[in-house]
Amino acid sequence: QSVLTQPPSVSGAPGQRVTISCTGSGSNIEAHYDVHWYRLLPGAAPKLLIYANTNRPSGVPDRFSASRSATSASLAITGLQAEDEADYYCQSYDTSLGAWVFGGGTKLTVL
Amino acid sequence: EVQLVESGGGLVQPGRSLRLSCAASGFTFDDYAMHWVRLTPGKGLEWVSGINWNSGSIGYADSVKGRFTISRDNANNSLYLQMNRLRPEDTALYYCAKDLYYGSGSYYEDWGQGTLVTVSS
Repeated sequence: QSVLTQPPSVSGAPGQRVTISCTGSGSNIEAHYDVHWYRLLPGAAPKLLIYANTNRPSGVPDRFSASRSATSASLAITGLQAEDEADYYCQSYDTSLGAWVFGGGTKLTVL
Repeated sequence: EVQLVESGGGLVQPGRSLRLSCAASGFTFDDYAMHWVRLTPGKGLEWVSGINWNSGSIGYADSVKGRFTISRDNANNSLYLQMNRLRPEDTALYYCAKDLYYGSGSYYEDWGQGTLVTVSS
């Protein structure tokens, strides 16, 4: 059981928009710690997509965006492409654990 | 170009030890904190351990505390993870990851390709 909760899977057709949620608790997201997002492709190193809730590193397309509320965060991908098919993880800090924590990951399928 | 290259993984029996290494290049190593993160098929990504630039701040996940030791050699641009008393649940792909600073807002802007550790009799 991961500290941060993500849906196990989401799917969408090419060109569509999908969102992936990340829900935490009072010791992590609700405690205002930043949320970051990564993409994991089979056989490849994880890639940082979003840092500090809403910021895109250089080189990440603007099809990827993120937002957060007091209790959760979400990653949005617009204009879905076949190469977006991957696993996506959110990450934050948990003050009760004194540790950086990840969500359980969401598998995105492009139909 | 930032490069992080892990090595030292392999098949090891439960209770034995293994030492992972991460060779860093393409950036000023001692300007950055470093972390070990592992990927398991059942649990996904899990932070294992982190160390700040001068080894003054170090942290471990509860699952490895007392068994794993992180260290770094800034002169040789290298990060290490000494893993003792290994358990089957430590089986994972271990990544080293670069972090701008060691704090609650830490995130991992660069990752290696990983080294596979399999703990099995």
